[in-house]
Amino acid sequence: GNSVTQMEGPVTLSEEAFLTINCTYTATGYPSLFWYVQYPGEGLQLLLKATKADDKGSNKGFEATYRKETTSFHLEKGSVQVSDSAVYFCGNAGGTSYGKLTFGQGTILTVHP
Amino acid sequence: DADVTQTPRNRITKTGKRIMLECSQTKGHDRMYWYRQDPGLGLRLIYYSFDVKDINKGEISDGYSVSRQAQAKFSLSLESAIPNQTALYFCATSVARGLTGELFFGEGSRLTVL
Repeated sequence: GNSVTQMEGPVTLSEEAFLTINCTYTATGYPSLFWYVQYPGEGLQLLLKATKADDKGSNKGFEATYRKETTSFHLEKGSVQVSDSAVYFCGNAGGTSYGKLTFGQGTILTVHP
Repeated sequence: DADVTQTPRNRITKTGKRIMLECSQTKGHDRMYWYRQDPGLGLRLIYYSFDVKDINKGEISDGYSVSRQAQAKFSLSLESAIPNQTALYFCATSVARGLTGELFFGEGSRLTVL
């Protein structure tokens, strides 16, 4: 089955700092990869996705590139804002886990002014 | 109004009680899911349903049951709640076609079992 491993948190940054949250995956077949974000008191919402190798997903200044050779999908942002404080989840879906999305354990990000 | 609505949003109950969490959606999606969220463990899949007649166990289905009453409704039951079922529960939906896997989540139901 599919699995996802994220870097341990929590991550604390100052505003305008560079962000990287590491994510690696295992899957049989060719999964789609996702980053979801959960703001306080809310459900998860899709941040970005990539459906095949070398695709780059991007949204709201965040980027992640689907790296098949390293089985990774690291999330990056060049300059974080206080409003980016949230929990970030990496996920994969498809391959032989058809129709199901498997999540990593989540990384808490706190951005200070 | 939210596209995916969960009720109740918060519930405190006692060990041994039967609890039902309900989910309804207005997105017209065929697929519905129940996940639980625990600190440090992320989200884990309890049950999922690809249509009204298709229900499947996820990775942690023991102690839970589900009912897909209609395309728009998917309820999760705890027949006899225990303290380690204290968690935040999320319902989610997705479209049937393709393998994009994008899920649309409700706002969550926080359950505390004393």
